Amino acid sequence: DVKVTQSSRYLVKRTGEKVFLECVQDMDHENMFWYRQDPGLGLRLIYFSYDVKMKEKGDIPEGYSVSREKKERFSLILESASTNQTSMYLCASSSDSLNEKLFFGSGTQLSVL
Amino acid sequence: AQSVAQPEDQVNVAEGNPLTVKCTYSVSGNPYLFWYVQYPNRGLQFLLKYITGDNLVKGSYGFEAEFNKSQTSFHLKKPSALVSDSALYFCAVRDINLPFNGQNFVFGPGTRLSVLP
Repeated sequence: DVKVTQSSRYLVKRTGEKVFLECVQDMDHENMFWYRQDPGLGLRLIYFSYDVKMKEKGDIPEGYSVSREKKERFSLILESASTNQTSMYLCASSSDSLNEKLFFGSGTQLSVL
Repeated sequence: AQSVAQPEDQVNVAEGNPLTVKCTYSVSGNPYLFWYVQYPNRGLQFLLKYITGDNLVKGSYGFEAEFNKSQTSFHLKKPSALVSDSALYFCAVRDINLPFNGQNFVFGPGTRLSVLP
């Protein structure tokens, strides 16, 4: 079965720190996604990537950047963390098929103090 | 643009009773519809999907969902709820007539299901 692995389950950072969230998938999927989950707001797309070195902004890209140097790895970067970026971050991947589902990692709960 | 509504923030049901979690959607073309479940401190897990064909779709853990095109709904159902079904449920839609991109996969806000013993 597909495995999507997020490097940290819980992370605590200080305001202004640079934060890296890592995600690795093992099924050779073309597409990878970063979502943010907040109570009452559901999942909001931050960035997605459809190929190595390719990226597209999602609904809420401000304050974030991404990197996809290898097909299996998609990193989310908070250049200067702020308290309003405290949230659950979910990585997902999928194949190129339109009817294919997304496979999710277990999530990283980030707290910015 | 497509959208998904889950009109209930919270659904409470007694163990052994049937459960329904509601979902309505809006797309300009034809939809692919999905249900996901999230257990505490976990990522989302796929439950079932509707692509085409039979309007009643069966999925994991005894769940099923009924696609109703005229009502643009895709309600999740289970004949007999278990306490272990307590979780957060997300409905999602993709418009098959739009080019694939990450924004063409829209999630609802989620419904918290509590099954009481």
